[in-house]
Order: sequence, then C-alpha cells, then structure tokens
Amino acid sequence: GENVEQHPSTLSVQEGDSAVIKCTYSDSASNYFPWYKQELGKRPQLIIDIRSNVGEKKDQRIAVTLNKTAKHFSLHITETQPEDSAVYFCAASKGDSSYKLIFGSGTRLLVRP
Amino acid sequence: DTEVTQTPKHLVMGMTNKKSLKCEQHMGHRAMYWYKQKAKKPPELMFVYSYEKLSINESVPSRFSPECPNSSLLNLHLHALQPEDSALYLCASSQVPTGENTIYFGEGSWLTVV
Repeated sequence: GENVEQHPSTLSVQEGDSAVIKCTYSDSASNYFPWYKQELGKRPQLIIDIRSNVGEKKDQRIAVTLNKTAKHFSLHITETQPEDSAVYFCAASKGDSSYKLIFGSGTRLLVRP
Repeated sequence: DTEVTQTPKHLVMGMTNKKSLKCEQHMGHRAMYWYKQKAKKPPELMFVYSYEKLSINESVPSRFSPECPNSSLLNLHLHALQPEDSALYLCASSQVPTGENTIYFGEGSWLTVV
C-alpha cells in the first residue's frame, strides 16, 4: 500500500524567512497531493493541493512542487508569519475508487517573532 | 460553504456507557468519513461511506458502529470503549468518493474514556 514519509518533524524559522517541508510517496499511481494545516486544538484545513498533471502550484505565500519521477512533493512557505505556526500534514491518494487519503507524519512549524 | 458540523465538541464517557457522535454536511457531498486522531499523530481513517453505503471499514473494533441515516448525516455509535480510544474523532466529507477530491474536515469531537 501507499506510504508517505514527511520531513522534518519539527521546523523553527525566524519570521520573514522561508520554510520548506518535504514528502515522498511510494505508490506511483498516486495522483492527488493535498497539504493540510492543523492549528492546536483545531481541525485539519486544506491549504493547497496539486494533481499529477501539474508540476507546481502557487497561492500567495504558499507553493507546492511535485516531482513525479522522484515521487516527492514539497510545500514552500515564503515570508513566514507567526500565524503560520501549526502542524502541517502532507497526504497522497489515487484518483480512483480507492479514496484513502494517506497522511505523512506531520511537521510542527514554529515561526519565531 | 465548506462546513462540516460535528456534535458534541467534547464528550467524557465511562467504559460501560453508550454514546453517539454526530456529523452533518449540507454541501451535497456523497462521500463521508470518520477519522481518529491521537495527539501528535496524523488522522487515521476508520470508515468511509459512499452514497450512504459503508464502503470501507479499516478493521475498526465493533465497539465503534457507524451509521449514515441520509446523505447529509453521519453518526458514530460508541459502546464499551476503552481508555485508549480517547482521541479526537474527525468527520469529513468529499464531493464524490474518488481519491482526487478534496476532503473537508469538521472541527472534531474530543472523546475522553474514563
């Protein structure tokens, strides 16, 4: 089955710096890769996603890149702000009836003011 | 509106109690999910309902019993739980039950088993 590995497990950056979180997946048939942000005591919220027919997607300060050959995808946050502090989960799934979303283990991001 | 509503937000129950968690969405989504999340861990899939029918049960113990009364509602009936079942239970939904559809999570129900 699919396995998603996520690194690093914790990341501390200075406000205004960039943050990068990386994930690798094992199933080459996976073609949908969402990223969720979960603040303490809150629900996971989708912040950006990418499908396998696209190599990069950007939404303001957040971007995701996908390398299908290497089976890895990354989240990039630029100009980080204290409110970006949260746990970030990557995930992968296949676009067929096997709609299990497989999550990475999570990255705790701390943005220091 | 991408709202999935869960009740109750907090629940404390004894090991002999019977309780239920409720979930509602009015987005017309035809796939609904129950996830369990322990502290500092990612959500783990428990059940998937596709067009109101149970399609995936991730080998969940029978003390957890899901129910989908209609396309907008999803329940999780709890009976004879163990302290290790204490966790955040997340309901979620997606437009159709295929893997490339966005999954929207509810705020969750914090369950403590004493």
